[in-house]
Amino acid sequence: DAGITQSPRHKVTETGTPVTLRCHQTENHRYMYWYRQDPGHGLRLIHYSYGVKDTDKGEVSDGYSVSRSKTEDFLLTLESATSSQTSVYFCAISAPGQGETQYFGPGTRLLVL
Amino acid sequence: RKEVEQDPGPFNVPEGATVAFNCTYSNSASQSFFWYRQDCRKEPKLLMSVYSSGNEDGRFTAQLNRASQYISLLIRDSKLSDSATYLCVVTPYGGGGNKLTFGTGTQLKVEL
Repeated sequence: DAGITQSPRHKVTETGTPVTLRCHQTENHRYMYWYRQDPGHGLRLIHYSYGVKDTDKGEVSDGYSVSRSKTEDFLLTLESATSSQTSVYFCAISAPGQGETQYFGPGTRLLVL
Repeated sequence: RKEVEQDPGPFNVPEGATVAFNCTYSNSASQSFFWYRQDCRKEPKLLMSVYSSGNEDGRFTAQLNRASQYISLLIRDSKLSDSATYLCVVTPYGGGGNKLTFGTGTQLKVEL
């Protein structure tokens, strides 16, 4: 299995609070991604990174920001959590030349009350 | 219209049966195609890529029909352990695009 961890694995928070999710990889892969998965929608790309300090928006980026200061860490921040951001969040990584093959972390289950 | 569409199922089949899933995609410029498997409350994992000529991996066979814009997955001799959700995945850009579009998945339940 690819060396990807996510923390926390579960979180309950209240509307309006900031939340940061962490993705850590030991594979030294260049590309990292954040997805959310909701019933009826499948996995949707929030943000992705193609290198340290290089990030771009995905399909559902509103209300989210990301940072990547080191190759191994990709942080997802919910600036002010809303109930619509209750979801399962997956981080993924891929390597150049294998960009379409993405390896996923175990996921973070976030509940916003 | 969704970019990638799948029948959500569930497909309930007896052990040993052959089962097939189809997936349609809307972007004719799509370049790469995959099947991922996702177990309940787990992360998706790559099952197999789908090549234009079709490809096989053990009991699993994947086919691509570009003219009709669909891909298929055939599972022969189903095992209980095949029970999972199968995600159809398409890359809308040519090589190295790094942006995958996921279908919502087809649930398979293999029963004794």
